[in-house]
Order: sequence, then C-alpha cells, then structure tokens
Amino acid sequence: GQNIDQPTEMTATEGAIVQINCTYQTSGFNGLFWYQQHAGEAPTFLSYNVLDGLEEKGRFSSFLSRSKGYSYLLLKELQMKDSASYLCAVNHRGSTLGRLYFGRGTQLTVWP
Amino acid sequence: GAGVSQSPSNKVTEKGKDVELRCDPISGHTALYWYRQSLGQGLEFLIYFQGNSAPDKSGLPSDRFSAERTGGSVSTLTIQRTQQEDSAVYLCASSPRTSGSSYNEQFFGPGTRLTVL
Repeated sequence: GQNIDQPTEMTATEGAIVQINCTYQTSGFNGLFWYQQHAGEAPTFLSYNVLDGLEEKGRFSSFLSRSKGYSYLLLKELQMKDSASYLCAVNHRGSTLGRLYFGRGTQLTVWP
Repeated sequence: GAGVSQSPSNKVTEKGKDVELRCDPISGHTALYWYRQSLGQGLEFLIYFQGNSAPDKSGLPSDRFSAERTGGSVSTLTIQRTQQEDSAVYLCASSPRTSGSSYNEQFFGPGTRLTVL
C-alpha cells in the first residue's frame, strides 16, 4: 500500500493564503494529484505534479519534492467557495495505469 | 458535454439484499474506475477497466463485490448480501488516457450513497 498523510482539518479567513501539506511513501513514484471535493459532490481535478517544483494555476499552486516525498497545495486570496475537502493522491509505477492512492483529505473551512 | 453520471444517487437497502450501482462514463473514455469513500476515510480503489483488457479487481474487498462493463461503456457494480460495513459513497471515474502516459486525469461522477440498514 501507499502511506499518504495530510492534515484532517484546516481553517483560514477570506483573502488569506493557506498551504495544505501532503507526505507520501511509495516505491516507484509516478505522479501526484490534488483534487477538490465539495460536500456531496464529485472530486474535481486541481493539479498534477510529476517533476520537482512548483506548478501555478491561477490562485492555486502545487509543489512537489520527490526526494522528500512531500507536496503542498497553496491557495491564495481565499474565497468562501474554497471551503471544501482537498484530496492528495499518488500514482506509482507498476500499479494499474492511473490507479490512484488517496489520502483521507483535508477539510478546509474559510471564514468571512 | 455530459460528465460522468451515476445512478441511483442514493440507495437504502436492508442487510442481506443485493444492490446494483450504475456508472455512465464520459463518451469515448476508455478507462473506468470504481472507488469507495467511507466516512472519514480516503477514496479506496475497488476495480479498474481499460478497453477490452481484463479488469484489475485487486481492490474489491470481498467476493460479494463484482463489476462488469458492457460494450466498453456503461459499468455496473454489484454488491451481494450487503452488510452494514458496505455503507459508503461509491464513486465512479473515467479517463481518456490509455497507455504510455502517467498523466491520467480522472473525471468523477457524483457518486451513489449506499446505506445498509
């Protein structure tokens, strides 16, 4: 199996910046995904990292360090609608193509 | 275009009954996945279909669980003799990617919430 660890809950205020960390242990790392899931809805894709470094996409950025088994999702200029669960997921080489191993998710609450 | 759809959205059943959950993937997507999401848990992989290849069933928790995909499109997940621990949200995802790429964005359906009384 894969050990994927992320905080259970986080809170922040509107307009602030929040960083959600994810650590993983896997043999044959083959990419890391972040998904956003609002309550009662389907997870939606946010970002993908396979090489070290930062990927920026609007208000959201995702960082990966393969040597440390570490990623973070950075959310800037937080809005109320960003309140959701953020799922970190890892694909590893040798597994079923595209099979993802998910962390338990981080429930982010944004306060006005 | 239409996304992944699942039916029913909610299912309440009695312990011991069989249930069928349906997934309609995005048209043209060759890969289809089933996941289970229990309260407070991460998404748990169940089964994967890719084209005409034999499915990867390694995530199915017991032989009470089975799935099929007809015509490379619609998939049905069947749970026989349901138990209370089967209560969860069952999510289906599809992907357009086949082989040769690790970037395999999965598009999820809204899920079926199964409650076993």
